[in-house]
Amino acid sequence: KQEVTQIPAALSVPEGENLVLNCSFTDSAIYNLQWFRQDPGKGLTSLLLIQSSQREQTSGRLNASLDKSSGRSTLYIAASQPGDSATYLCAVKPQTGANNLFFGTGTRLTVIP
Amino acid sequence: GAGVSQSPRYKVAKRGQDVALRCDPISGHVSLFWYQQALGQGPEFLTYFQNEAQLDKSGLPSDRFFAERPEGSVSTLKIQRTQQEDSAVYLCASSPYGPSGRGITATDTQYFGPGTRLTVL
Repeated sequence: KQEVTQIPAALSVPEGENLVLNCSFTDSAIYNLQWFRQDPGKGLTSLLLIQSSQREQTSGRLNASLDKSSGRSTLYIAASQPGDSATYLCAVKPQTGANNLFFGTGTRLTVIP
Repeated sequence: GAGVSQSPRYKVAKRGQDVALRCDPISGHVSLFWYQQALGQGPEFLTYFQNEAQLDKSGLPSDRFFAERPEGSVSTLKIQRTQQEDSAVYLCASSPYGPSGRGITATDTQYFGPGTRLTVL
């Protein structure tokens, strides 16, 4: 079974800092990997989706990289803002078989003004 | 356009009660997923529908959990004889694609509803 791990579990940074969130997965046979944002009491918002053939995706201040062979992905957030405070979840979709996503436990980010 | 909606948003049940949670997916979406998210954890897969067919229910934790999508749109997750360990947020997600076609690039994603927070006392 695919296992997804996120480190750190929680992170607190001052406004303006650049930061990196880490995600690792045990089975490299993935179709894609997504990074989601979850605000308290709300659903998940997709931030970036990386296909298995891609190395990275960028959206504004966010950059996600994927190293499929080593089972790792990173989410880089530049010039963090208090509005970035949320829980960030990494999820992988298997290459074959199950159509569902396998999620990590998330990193809770707090950006201090 | 409207996203995925879920109702109720909050549900408090006494242990032993039956509950029904509703999901309205994005119109026209083929795939529908239910996930369970315990406090401080990531979502965990429960079951998957392609149109009205339940193709995967391997994540349902017990036979007290039952899901249906009779007309291939709205889905209901029912939990019978609720237990305290059922307390969690139940998330519904829909996707335009079925399992045979895994979609293309950025459109191959699941769109999540706000969830139903179930508390069993």
